[in-house]
Amino acid sequence: GQNIDQPTEMTATEGAIVQINCTYQTSGFNGLFWYQQHAGEAPTFLSYNVLDGLEEKGRFSSFLSRSKGYSYLLLKELQMKDSASYLCAVRPTKAAGNKLTFGGGTRVLVKP
Amino acid sequence: DGGITQSPKYLFRKEGQNVTLSCEQNLNHDAMYWYRQDPGQGLRLIYYSQIVNDFQKGDIAEGYSVSREKKESFPLTVTSAQKNPTAFYLCASGPGTGNNEQFFGPGTRLTVL
Repeated sequence: GQNIDQPTEMTATEGAIVQINCTYQTSGFNGLFWYQQHAGEAPTFLSYNVLDGLEEKGRFSSFLSRSKGYSYLLLKELQMKDSASYLCAVRPTKAAGNKLTFGGGTRVLVKP
Repeated sequence: DGGITQSPKYLFRKEGQNVTLSCEQNLNHDAMYWYRQDPGQGLRLIYYSQIVNDFQKGDIAEGYSVSREKKESFPLTVTSAQKNPTAFYLCASGPGTGNNEQFFGPGTRLTVL
């Protein structure tokens, strides 16, 4: 089976940094994705990791350790608009249409 | 503009009725997916299709049916057999191969009364 765990909710202050952890146990591994989803809207792609290490994209960074089954998404210089849910998703295999398995999502609340 | 459209945004149905949710994409993607999202939860895969005229069950296919007669279209029917149909339904598409991400439509919120 597939299991992906994320914290349910996190709160942080505008201008601060927040780290959202994701641990996974899947039948295989062929990439990990992070998506942002504002309430009632579609998820939008943030980052992709398939090799170990850090990927940086502006205020957002994502880290992967395949040996530990672990990833994190780092949000720097938090803005009010970053209040959203952040979804971690694993692609167990490139076969079967590139299916993704999603975690439950982490709701981040940014306070002034 | 390239993208994925879902209609309608909100849908209300009486219990016992079948309802079909539409999903259209003009991204020339081979693969399409249907997910269900319940309040405060992540996405669960209902069905996916890698190519026209072919589709596979996801993790929660019971009570749902799909068709893929055209590359651009992947409608989902929520049947009366689905015990808890009220949810937010998201359609996505992707190349089906390679490292590319899936792109999501705006979603349909279905409420069964």
